[in-house]
Amino acid sequence: EAQVTQNPRYLITVTGKKLTVTCSQNMNHEYMSWYRQDPGLGLRQIYYSMNVEVTDKGDVPEGYKVSRKEKRNFPLILESPSPNQTSLYFCASSLKREANYGYTFGSGTRLTVV
Amino acid sequence: SQKIEQNSEALNIQEGKTATLTCNYTNYSPAYLQWYRQDPGRGPVFLLLIRENEKEKRKERLKVTFDTTLKQSLFHITASQPADSATYLCAPYNQGGKLIFGQGTELSVKP
Repeated sequence: EAQVTQNPRYLITVTGKKLTVTCSQNMNHEYMSWYRQDPGLGLRQIYYSMNVEVTDKGDVPEGYKVSRKEKRNFPLILESPSPNQTSLYFCASSLKREANYGYTFGSGTRLTVV
Repeated sequence: SQKIEQNSEALNIQEGKTATLTCNYTNYSPAYLQWYRQDPGRGPVFLLLIRENEKEKRKERLKVTFDTTLKQSLFHITASQPADSATYLCAPYNQGGKLIFGQGTELSVKP
């Protein structure tokens, strides 16, 4: 089944403890992206990747890192999480960045930083 | 700045009726516009894409229109069912190569 898989689904952590949220897609998509979704603010892009080893900042990149060493994986790294990073996170992928391809989203990771 | 507006109030309709959701955008001219469905706590699911040179697009009970003069897209669900209850997001695509998501409109279809 074609899908984007995120792990973990839920995560509670403490301030300052490094964490990684994994994202993997099995559709050979070039484009991958991370979003966070907060009430009243909608989906905001954190980082995106046009292809392997090509990443760029989205609208809210502060406090996050990403890497794209393989086409299928696009992990999101929080080096020193803070409470304001408590949010619902989504990974998405698309064949290419161009908008004539719909995005496939993962099921989400609900992160709580205490 | 670029702005997307969707009905912030939830839309409540009776089963069998047509639901119409509105997406207005300002300060840019998207070449494409996408619509997604999102269930609570789940990732958005792609539904339809419409291009600026297309006035209307249909897929089963779904219909999307795109009026570049009014800077507006309408999303219609005909013969609505309780299973259509969800939040619907519009996402215009700007020339910078970015998909920008609206905050969504919550639709509730009552039996």
